[in-house]
Amino acid sequence: GEDVEQSLFLSVREGDSSVINCTYTDSSSTYLYWYKQEPGAGLQLLTYIFSNMDMKQDQRLTVLLNKKDKHLSLRIADTQTGDSAIYFCAESQSNYQLIWGAGTKLIIKP
Amino acid sequence: EAQVTQNPRYLITVTGKKLTVTCSQNMNHEYMSWYRQDPGLGLRQIYYSMNVEVTDKGDVPEGYKVSRKEKRNFPLILESPSPNQTSLYFCASSSVAGGTDTQYFGPGTRLTVL
Repeated sequence: GEDVEQSLFLSVREGDSSVINCTYTDSSSTYLYWYKQEPGAGLQLLTYIFSNMDMKQDQRLTVLLNKKDKHLSLRIADTQTGDSAIYFCAESQSNYQLIWGAGTKLIIKP
Repeated sequence: EAQVTQNPRYLITVTGKKLTVTCSQNMNHEYMSWYRQDPGLGLRQIYYSMNVEVTDKGDVPEGYKVSRKEKRNFPLILESPSPNQTSLYFCASSSVAGGTDTQYFGPGTRLTVL
């Protein structure tokens, strides 16, 4: 079946950029999403990108999509302690269902 | 305020004792969904509903039931819970499934089955 893969952990220093990567298998994906889950909370949509776009920027967040390699990344500039969370990549399939990655836990070092 | 509510937030129960986790949304969304979240596995969809009286299985439906009698409510029913259903459960809703419309998530229900 279709799959979305992410590394489980990423550790960065406060003030550095964080880059969270995701690969997916469904070439018919229409939208790809990044969700953020803070400790003890539900998931919140951070940003999304349509599959015919290469890049989307929103303040400190930059999403890059390489459709040929089926690779999605989320870059967080000037990472702060408040960015500590689990980040989930998800893709929407042609039947409108979302396929989720396992989540990447972002750890911020002082 | 737009929100998805779940109850209870925490539940400890014993094997075989039927339970229901309620989910309610106030945004008039057509699409609702239940997920379970387990360490290292991310979110796995249990059931989803495209509208009232329309439900379908997700990736891991075994041991669960749902109903969608009203647009706002989408309860998750465990008829005979087992320890492997110990997990964190999220309900979500959106106006369009998988489109640009945001999926709104409830706060989660942490279930422990002894």
